[in-house]
Amino acid sequence: NAGVTQTPKFRVLKTGQSMTLLCAQDMNHEYMYWYRQDPGMGLRLIHYSVGEGTTAKGEVPDGYNVSRLKKQNFLLGLESAAPSQTSVYFCASRNREGTGELFFGEGSRLTVL
Amino acid sequence: AQSVTQPDIHITVSEGASLELRCNYSYGATPYLFWYVQSPGQGLQLLLKYFSGDTLVQGIKGFEAEFKRSQSSFNLRKPSVHWSDAAEYFCAVGPARSNDYKLSFGAGTTVTVRA
Repeated sequence: NAGVTQTPKFRVLKTGQSMTLLCAQDMNHEYMYWYRQDPGMGLRLIHYSVGEGTTAKGEVPDGYNVSRLKKQNFLLGLESAAPSQTSVYFCASRNREGTGELFFGEGSRLTVL
Repeated sequence: AQSVTQPDIHITVSEGASLELRCNYSYGATPYLFWYVQSPGQGLQLLLKYFSGDTLVQGIKGFEAEFKRSQSSFNLRKPSVHWSDAAEYFCAVGPARSNDYKLSFGAGTTVTVRA
């Protein structure tokens, strides 16, 4: 069972470069999320989606864009990377019903030089 | 707005000793509450969750947590810690009924286990 898969797992960028992180889930979950994790700050929500074709901003959306063209995929884009976006990014998903448990990917470590 | 506070940034405990991690939340009604564990270089794994019923919930790896509404707390406990419990622990809160569902996390508590 793959669950939630994130690619790539590691990436180094130069300031101003762009990139896309891909999240894929095979559990047919309606809701998907992108979080970033920074030391001492826990996980902060960047963007999320409650269904195919819909996205919404979280706590820290600036500098990021997202798309949910297919139910199983949730893409996080950085158009012009900045050193402040150096972080570990986690994708998560959950079912619409149930008790709200999130299922997480293993994370993507991004370094912006 | 919902929020979570984990007062302890770092806890060191001896192997075999008991462990308690504190979590306080702010939310207008009874929320869903969760504890997640993150081992180094890994994603987050659910330890346990509370959504209704018995206020003492059992989880995986011998962990338990108690929901105390009067104190807005959801503290995590383990009677006897193993070296493999060294990890970072996150408390999280989410709305019990919402179509716009977002889970808020605390800053985390790092647990070090000494021999």
